[in-house]
Amino acid sequence: IAGITQAPTSQILAAGRRMTLRCTQDMRHNAMYWYRQDLGLGLRLIHYSNTAGTTGKGEVPDGYSVSRANTDDFPLTLASAVPSQTSVYFCASSTDGGTYNEQFFGPGTRLTVL
Amino acid sequence: GENVEQHPSTLSVQEGDSAVIKCTYSDSASNYFPWYKQELGKRPQLIIDIRSNVGEKKDQRIAVTLNKTAKHFSLHITETQPEDSAVYFCAASMSSYKLIFGSGTRLLVRP
Repeated sequence: IAGITQAPTSQILAAGRRMTLRCTQDMRHNAMYWYRQDLGLGLRLIHYSNTAGTTGKGEVPDGYSVSRANTDDFPLTLASAVPSQTSVYFCASSTDGGTYNEQFFGPGTRLTVL
Repeated sequence: GENVEQHPSTLSVQEGDSAVIKCTYSDSASNYFPWYKQELGKRPQLIIDIRSNVGEKKDQRIAVTLNKTAKHFSLHITETQPEDSAVYFCAASMSSYKLIFGSGTRLLVRP
């Protein structure tokens, strides 16, 4: 059982380029999330999805888009990357979007935008 | 919206001593407070959580307390060990899907 995986592990990207971060889970979790982690700022929610076919905005959604075509996959796209999007990105999932459900995190993607 | 403040940002303790990390939240509607541990280069992992209808919860050397009136909650680690060294994040949730995290505390346990 892989749990939740992310790809790539790390990426260096030129500003203005388009980039998609991949996230896949095999736990049949309904809810999935994308966070960015920056030093001194903790984890901030970018977008979330409570079930396949639906998505919602988190705290810092600008410059990012997501889709949820099926239960397992939740890709995050940067349409035109900017240096301020340099960060570590974590995908997470939970059984459903209920308040008390543990979120399980992926291993993260370290993205550098030059 | 909800805001979570976490203190201290760094904490150094001698092995065997206790460590306390404190968080405050702004929205009285928040009703779920998890704590995550993140070891260097690893993913965050849930270590303990507490719901608003409970004042304290323990799990071996870890405990969490909640004061709803003051809107603060704390993580207590007793008999600290070197493997407790990590970054700890508190979080608060007032609705489905949205956890608001504190900025993290880097705990160093000195052997």
